Amino acid sequence: DQQVKQNSPSLSVQEGRISILNCDYTNSMFDYFLWYKKYPAEGPTFLISISSIKDKNEDGRFTVFLNKSAKHLSLHIVPSQPGDSAVYFCAASEGGKLIFGQGTELSVKP
Amino acid sequence: DTGVSQNPRHKITKRGQNVTFRCDPISEHNRLYWYRQTLGQGPEFLTYFQNEAQLEKSRLLSDRFSAERPKGSFSTLEIQRTEQGDSAMYLCASSRWTSGDEQYFGPGTRLTVT
Repeated sequence: DQQVKQNSPSLSVQEGRISILNCDYTNSMFDYFLWYKKYPAEGPTFLISISSIKDKNEDGRFTVFLNKSAKHLSLHIVPSQPGDSAVYFCAASEGGKLIFGQGTELSVKP
Repeated sequence: DTGVSQNPRHKITKRGQNVTFRCDPISEHNRLYWYRQTLGQGPEFLTYFQNEAQLEKSRLLSDRFSAERPKGSFSTLEIQRTEQGDSAMYLCASSRWTSGDEQYFGPGTRLTVT
């Protein structure tokens, strides 16, 4: 039973445009949500997080939106850069442990 | 470098052998986590420690897996009688004590069981 889902395995965008990565979850008890970025042969790198009591958090080019009623969160990257090309994972925190989605591979083309 | 470190980075072993991996967390972090990642999937939680206490183990974790954090600093993950299905990337992460704190991951140990 997949509690955190990323339904798009891949996404391709043009440099300078917006990238929108989506994530759905099923458990309303999750209290924190995080986005990680992963390059091949490296561990995931923390990008941005949001508490379940907020609906938006922004950090530079990265913004995370949380819609609790829809159990949906999204990561916006604007403007997208070629160096953003990586696999992005959303994760939900349950008592400290993280439950990850399957990942979305983002490709930003020059 | 004060990040999370893991050793070895790669391990190839024959089926039936035992393997042990080590994780050194960020020094001021109380919590240490182990995850496993297979191709095309996100990391899957295995177990975590707060200081030296093991607080939770995944129900999916076989009895062949054991983890320790004897002095609340580094941790080891041992897999006994390895099987081909154990082939995966084993990731360690650490965080401060609250659930809202982001976890910082090490580079992982890639295990291949032949």
